[in-house]
Amino acid sequence: DAGVTQSPTHLIKTRGQQVTLRCSPISGHKSVSWYQQVLGQGPQFIFQYYEKEERGRGNFPDRFSARQFPNYSSELNVNALLLGDSALYLCASTLTLYEQYFGPGTRLTVT
Amino acid sequence: ELKVEQNPLFLSMQEGKNYTIYCNYSTTSDRLYWYRQDPGKSLESLFVLLSNGAVKQEGRLMASLDTKARLSTLHITAAVHDLSATYFCAGMYNNNDMRFGAGTRLTVKP
Repeated sequence: DAGVTQSPTHLIKTRGQQVTLRCSPISGHKSVSWYQQVLGQGPQFIFQYYEKEERGRGNFPDRFSARQFPNYSSELNVNALLLGDSALYLCASTLTLYEQYFGPGTRLTVT
Repeated sequence: ELKVEQNPLFLSMQEGKNYTIYCNYSTTSDRLYWYRQDPGKSLESLFVLLSNGAVKQEGRLMASLDTKARLSTLHITAAVHDLSATYFCAGMYNNNDMRFGAGTRLTVKP
């Protein structure tokens, strides 16, 4: 079975622009979580979605938003990009409460 | 609020030696996770520890959990170069917010 997939792999944006990142969970997984990992740090929780509903939100500004589609794929949107938004964005899918499977990530560079 | 602290943050080992990475967490977490991350790559799940006294082993890595002390350890036995990576521990907060430590960057030298 395919693992978690994310697109794009890399992208470069300019300050003030908007970006959309995409994630497809493992087949059969209904929950998707998003994390931001700044270079040299551990990942930080942004959102969790389950069955298209937001189930959790981390300490991120309203510039960050997400949604989950009927096929359980998800998008993370970030508006008004700042230099500090440069990071690796990780998506994880979950079947049970106990295991999260991480995708390869999208590396965002804001210039 | 759950806070997770790892030490050491940097670890340089010689091949064949043993060492332990420590993970302390600040409040109750009913699950403790260990992940491995290679440079520029995603997170690979190593262990999920679910109960006090849990011990899991895979190859040269062994993880344990002491919920009373709020401490998990990752023990490395007879290190080899292939174990060079960054290791993260994480606890689950509010059933959906996985809180990570800062990571331990392990380098195994010949």
